[in-house]
Order: sequence, then structure tokens, then C-alpha cells
Amino acid sequence: EIVMTQSPATLSVSPGERATLSCRASQSVSSNLAWYQQKPGQAPRLLIYGASIRATGIPARFSGSGSGTEFTLTISILQSEDFAVYYCQQYNNWYTFGQGTKLEIK
Amino acid sequence: EVQLVQSGAEVKKPGESLKISCKGSGYSFTSYWIGWVRQMPGKGLEWMGIIYPGDSDTRYSPSFQGQVTISADKSISTAYLQWSSLKASDTAMYYCARKGAGDFDYWGQGTLVTVSS
Repeated sequence: EIVMTQSPATLSVSPGERATLSCRASQSVSSNLAWYQQKPGQAPRLLIYGASIRATGIPARFSGSGSGTEFTLTISILQSEDFAVYYCQQYNNWYTFGQGTKLEIK
Repeated sequence: EVQLVQSGAEVKKPGESLKISCKGSGYSFTSYWIGWVRQMPGKGLEWMGIIYPGDSDTRYSPSFQGQVTISADKSISTAYLQWSSLKASDTAMYYCARKGAGDFDYWGQGTLVTVSS
């Protein structure tokens, strides 16, 4: 099983600043990596797939990068609605999610 | 518009059986895999399994193999997740999601299952 490790567990950032979230795979997943956002009481929402491709309707301030085992989600100018939990997911060998990063207001 | 609509919240006792549903609309239901994802209270996302409604090809996560059964009825565009004997540890939110280009591009609203004596 491919293990996905996200860091940090919690990230405190002020609105208007940049947030950088990391995700590491225990073995290469090529570019088969997605990022999801989940707000309290809501289902997850797809943000990024193919490591760097924004899903339909996702604002340009969200960007993904990386390949192989190291991936990054960057939110360039944080808006109030961006504070949520973010999960990475590999789909190179079935599916595994990371444990999540909680992005909170500083 | 693609939609996945799940059945409502359930409260069950340990040992009881349960089948929850996920109805797809706005796309060709038989052409996309549907996955199930568990989220225990306050915890992260866990992939349980996936089914291709076109031919009912089904795959399970090793963690959930033998614990649940995934099925689909393509005539009514609905996928199912069922348990034969619930445990308290099955208490969780369960999501269905459509497999897009590998990722899960559309999600149901979730079904909360509570198992308590």
C-alpha cells in the first residue's frame, strides 16, 4: 500500500498571505495525485488532479506541483473561504489519502 | 449537471444489516466508476472500494475486503454499500464519489451511519 504523508498537520496563515502544503508518497505515484478541500459538514471538493491541473471552477490562486513522491499545493492569496482541511490522494495504485492538513486563520 | 445523491442518515444497532445508496444523474452512469469513502468522526478519508456499474466489476481496499459489499443497479443508476452485521466501529460518514480522470471529481453529500446499542 502506498502511504501518503501530509505536512504540516496544522498550518496557521493570515488572510492575504500564501499557504504551502506538502504531500509525500512512500513510493512514486508519477503525476497521479489529487488535492481536495473539505469544509466542516461538507463533502470533499476536488481542487487539483494530475498533480497540477485545476479542476473545473477552481480559482487560479490554487496551484499544484510535483511528481514522483513530492507534491505541493499552494494557495497564493488566502481568502476567508479557503480555511479548511486539505487532503492529497494518490491514484497510481488504487487510492490512498493523506491524513490531511488543517489550514487555520492566524 | 452531474449529481450524486445519497440516502439519508441511519441509526442502527450492532449486529443489524444496512444498505445505503448513491444515485447518479446528469451523466452516463454506466461509463464511470463509483467509489466509496469512509470518514470516521473527526478523522480523515479512507477509500473502501469501487465499482464499475457498466459490468459491476468491483474492487475493494484490503482494509475493507470482506467487511462490506459494494453493488450497483444500472437500471436505476444507483450504487450501494452494504453491511451484513454492523459494529459500533462502523459509525462514520460515508461518501460515494465518481471516478474522473483517476481522481474523484464529483461527490455525494454523504450518509451518516450511527451504530449504537
